[in-house]
Amino acid sequence: DIQMTQSPSSLSASVGDRVTISCRASQGISSHLAWWQQKPGKVPKLLISAASTLQSGVPSRFSGSGSGTDFTLTISSLQPEDVAIYYCQKYDSAPWTFGQGSKVGIK
Amino acid sequence: QVQLQQSGPGLVKPSQTLSLTCAISGDSVSSNSVAWNWIRQSPSRGLEWLGRTFYRSRWYYDYAVSVKSRITINPDTSKNQFSLHLNSVTPEDTAFYYCTRDRGSYYPFDYWGQGTLVTVSS
Repeated sequence: DIQMTQSPSSLSASVGDRVTISCRASQGISSHLAWWQQKPGKVPKLLISAASTLQSGVPSRFSGSGSGTDFTLTISSLQPEDVAIYYCQKYDSAPWTFGQGSKVGIK
Repeated sequence: QVQLQQSGPGLVKPSQTLSLTCAISGDSVSSNSVAWNWIRQSPSRGLEWLGRTFYRSRWYYDYAVSVKSRITINPDTSKNQFSLHLNSVTPEDTAFYYCTRDRGSYYPFDYWGQGTLVTVSS
């Protein structure tokens, strides 16, 4: 099975900082990658699909890039409401697998 | 608008069977363009896809290797729902369980149930 590895596992940044989270697939998955945001007690929310397609209603400070095995989620200007855990997930073929998550906090 | 409503017990004894149901509104369990999944989430295992069922002239099933010997996902066309059965549970199966929909390979999950915390304990 293809494994998804995220880094860092946690980070703290100041409001307004640029934040970058990486996700690496153990084999190529083309652009079949999603980024999810999960806040405490909530169902994960889809931010980005197809590696870089921002979902409707998601703030433009979120962006995604990459293809093949290396992907990046960027928050261009961190806001207090962005405190959450972020997951990458491959969906090219079963089994669907998630990264272990990256916890984003505010300094 | 598709809605997924989960139901089932929140407490299961070790060695017994965990059973959850996901009732679908706004779509059909036998739609030939979507698939129906179960996912769980725990601190130790993170987000883990368990399996799915979908209809393409006949029913198909895919299961995660980690639970393949213990899991069954059943569609119920009469009630427009699908269920998860996980037998021989241990405390390691304690988790939030979610049902989801996807529009097939190359599409991410687009609808989620509300989640059910299932605790395995005597």
